[in-house]
Amino acid sequence: DQQVKQNSPSLSVQEGRISILNCDYTNSMFDYFLWYKKYPAEGPTFLISISSIKDKNEDGRFTVFLNKSAKHLSLHIVPSQPGDSAVYFCAASASGGSNYKLTFGKGTLLTVNP
Amino acid sequence: DAGITQSPRHKVTETGTPVTLRCHQTENHRYMYWYRQDPGHGLRLIHYSYGVKDTDKGEVSDGYSVSRSKTEDFLLTLESATSSQTSVYFCAISPGLAGDTDTQYFGPGTRLTVL
Repeated sequence: DQQVKQNSPSLSVQEGRISILNCDYTNSMFDYFLWYKKYPAEGPTFLISISSIKDKNEDGRFTVFLNKSAKHLSLHIVPSQPGDSAVYFCAASASGGSNYKLTFGKGTLLTVNP
Repeated sequence: DAGITQSPRHKVTETGTPVTLRCHQTENHRYMYWYRQDPGHGLRLIHYSYGVKDTDKGEVSDGYSVSRSKTEDFLLTLESATSSQTSVYFCAISPGLAGDTDTQYFGPGTRLTVL
């Protein structure tokens, strides 16, 4: 039972345009969501997070939107740059006795073309 | 960047041999995790630790054991390696403080090949 789903294995965008990566979750106990970026041969790097008490969080070119009623979150990258090309993982956790465990999606490979 | 190192970074071994991977942190974080990453599966939790000598299973723990005798070190052991355990293994750490600090920070990974 996949509790965090990234239904698009890959996404290709032009440099300067917006990249939108999507993530859906099924566990209503999840209340904290994160995005990680991963380059080949490196460990995942934390990018941005959002708590369930918010519906938007912004950090520079990166914005995460959370729609709790739809159990959906998205990561917007504007403008996209070739260096953003990487695999992006969505992750979620349920606070309160979870030992801070994260459940990850399978990832979306973003390719930003010059 | 969080101070996390993994050793070895690459290892090739034969089926049936025991293998131990090491994760070392300099952040004094309470929580440590071992994941494996495989194509089509994303990151899956193997085991985690919530303190010295305190560990628990993740979703893919069969064939693996862990130990944590010091805050800074978390060892992952494959008792008898199988080809299905060929993977990239990542260690992660988390401070585990109150508030929205569930953020985990990852090490560089160990690529393990079991022949």
